[in-house]
Amino acid sequence: DQQVKQNSPSLSVQEGRISILNCDYTNSMFDYFLWYKKYPAEGPTFLISISSIKDKNEDGRFTVFLNKSAKHLSLHIVPSQPGDSAVYFCAATGAGETSGSRLTFGEGTQLTVNP
Amino acid sequence: DAGVIQSPRHEVTEMGQEVTLRCKPISGHNSLFWYRQTMMRGLELLIYFNNNVPIDDSGMPEDRFSAKMPNASFSTLKIQPSEPRDSAVYFCASSLRLSGTQYFGPGTRLLVL
Repeated sequence: DQQVKQNSPSLSVQEGRISILNCDYTNSMFDYFLWYKKYPAEGPTFLISISSIKDKNEDGRFTVFLNKSAKHLSLHIVPSQPGDSAVYFCAATGAGETSGSRLTFGEGTQLTVNP
Repeated sequence: DAGVIQSPRHEVTEMGQEVTLRCKPISGHNSLFWYRQTMMRGLELLIYFNNNVPIDDSGMPEDRFSAKMPNASFSTLKIQPSEPRDSAVYFCASSLRLSGTQYFGPGTRLLVL
């Protein structure tokens, strides 16, 4: 029962263009969503997050959009840079202090930004 | 400022042997999490602690797995006896509070032959 799904295992874009990574979830109790980036041989690194009370959160080149009715979120990277090449994980968690600690991760999407 | 520290980084062992993975969380963080990443199941939470107390171990796959946190700066994940299907990358993460942003260590790559 995969509650968080990233249907694209890989994505390739040109440097300077926009990268769009998608994530779908099924559990309506999720109310906080995160994106993590992972380089080979390293642990995941927190990138950006969004609460369900918002539909957009922006941090520099990274913007996350949340569509609650569709249970869908996306991460936009503009402009994409070769250093952005990594695996991107979508994660979700529910309300409350205890449940809010339990992150459910998607399968990850390998982003490759070509120079 | 040191991040989450895990040791060893790589471990190769034979089936039936005991394996102990170690984690030092970021100083001042009150919550610690153990994850496992495999090709089949992705990144899954095994167990987490708050103020050194185990809160939820429902992700621990079998009784062969156990975790302890004797103090705020150290945790272990033990597999006894190990099996080939335990081969995976094991990550430790810590956060300032239970629902705070989790910071991951570099992981321990375990191979059980």
